[in-house]
Amino acid sequence: AQSVTQLGSHVSVSEGALVLLRCNYSSSVPPYLFWYVQYPNQGLQLLLKYTTGATLVKGINGFEAEFKKSETSFHLTKPSAHMSDAAEYFCAVSLYNQGGKLIFGQGTELSVKP
Amino acid sequence: EPEVTQTPSHQVTQMGQEVILRCVPISNHLYFYWYRQILGQKVEFLVSFYNNEISEKSEIFDDQFSVERPDGSNFTLKIRSTKLEDSAMYFCASNPGPSYEQYFGPGTRLTVT
Repeated sequence: AQSVTQLGSHVSVSEGALVLLRCNYSSSVPPYLFWYVQYPNQGLQLLLKYTTGATLVKGINGFEAEFKKSETSFHLTKPSAHMSDAAEYFCAVSLYNQGGKLIFGQGTELSVKP
Repeated sequence: EPEVTQTPSHQVTQMGQEVILRCVPISNHLYFYWYRQILGQKVEFLVSFYNNEISEKSEIFDDQFSVERPDGSNFTLKIRSTKLEDSAMYFCASNPGPSYEQYFGPGTRLTVT
């Protein structure tokens, strides 16, 4: 069965600093990988996704993630944090041959200090 | 841009009561999902629905839960007899197929007292 682990339930960075949110997955077959963002009292918004092809994927708001099969990782990065990036970030995995259900990690709350 | 909508945004109910949470998926999408998020915890898959039947359900989705697509636009989640532990945010999602990204609604916050 697939699973997702997000290291660090809370990450705090200064404005302008690098953002690195870690995600490792477990899957018996090549998965599809996603990062979603959740702002307070809102739903989930897709940041970026990896299905096939290029392993470095770019998303909205300057975020990107790299699929590393050998490390079973899909870490999310942004070169320079902005105050508006403060939110909860969820990594998720799905298997296209299992109806597409998403399995989410525990989430990482990102705080950005001025 | 098309979006998934959910009603109500907040539902308060007493333990043992039935609740129906409503969702309108994006019109050309074929796959529909319900997830829940208990306060402070991760988002959990409940059920997926395709071609008017459940395609997969989780252990959480027991006999107290049911889903229905009563017409061409709505997708509902019914909890027959609510428990305190059903208090959570419930998200509906849809996509054109299982290999596509899922679009989430804003959620319904269910509070069981």
